[in-house]
Amino acid sequence: SAVISQKPSRDICQRGTSLTIQCQVDSQVTMMFWYRQQPGQSLTLIATANQGSEATYESGFVIDKFPISRPNLTFSTLTVSNMSPEDSSIYLCSVTGAGGDTQYFGPGTRLTVL
Amino acid sequence: KNEVEQSPQNLTAQEGEFITINCSYSVGISALHWLQQHPGGGIVSLFMLSSGKKKHGRLIATINIQEKHSSLHITASHPRDSAVYICAVRFPGAGSYQLTFGKGTKLSVIP
Repeated sequence: SAVISQKPSRDICQRGTSLTIQCQVDSQVTMMFWYRQQPGQSLTLIATANQGSEATYESGFVIDKFPISRPNLTFSTLTVSNMSPEDSSIYLCSVTGAGGDTQYFGPGTRLTVL
Repeated sequence: KNEVEQSPQNLTAQEGEFITINCSYSVGISALHWLQQHPGGGIVSLFMLSSGKKKHGRLIATINIQEKHSSLHITASHPRDSAVYICAVRFPGAGSYQLTFGKGTKLSVIP
């Protein structure tokens, strides 16, 4: 199994500022993902965080808005840049277990942009 | 388009009732997950299924590959089961580990 922690757990931010969310896993994992869950909606994949190379972004998400770092196999950061109220969401880090059968999720970061 | 549909959207039950949440999908899949999300936002993976049935405590998950349908059952429901239950599937060829999520079923169990 994999235990994931995220920091911060929640934050309230002003429009135009940026927030960096950290994701720490207690074991080395190959596949690490960042998801967004807007209020009342299901999860949407933002990007796959690749170790040693640029993240792979899904349609509708760009690196300038959501820069991602993955310096090693246990840690990643997601930055939400130049925030607007539309960015108010829960942001979740997720990893795939060995063999790809199980998906583990972090506790989420609840972001409110005023 | 690969889609995942859940029903019902909302469900209120009395403590002790047997609960069923349904998930259907549009095309063949390689795996299906049932997830539980508590009000704080964190998500816990309950089951991963590719065929048959799995049981863990009071939770039972079944999948019918031919009918493209899965159910999550909760026996002897308890207020602590109150959460959003999410079905997520992996479609072949969609990216090795990419999941498509249903919109969730909000369950409230009343004492």
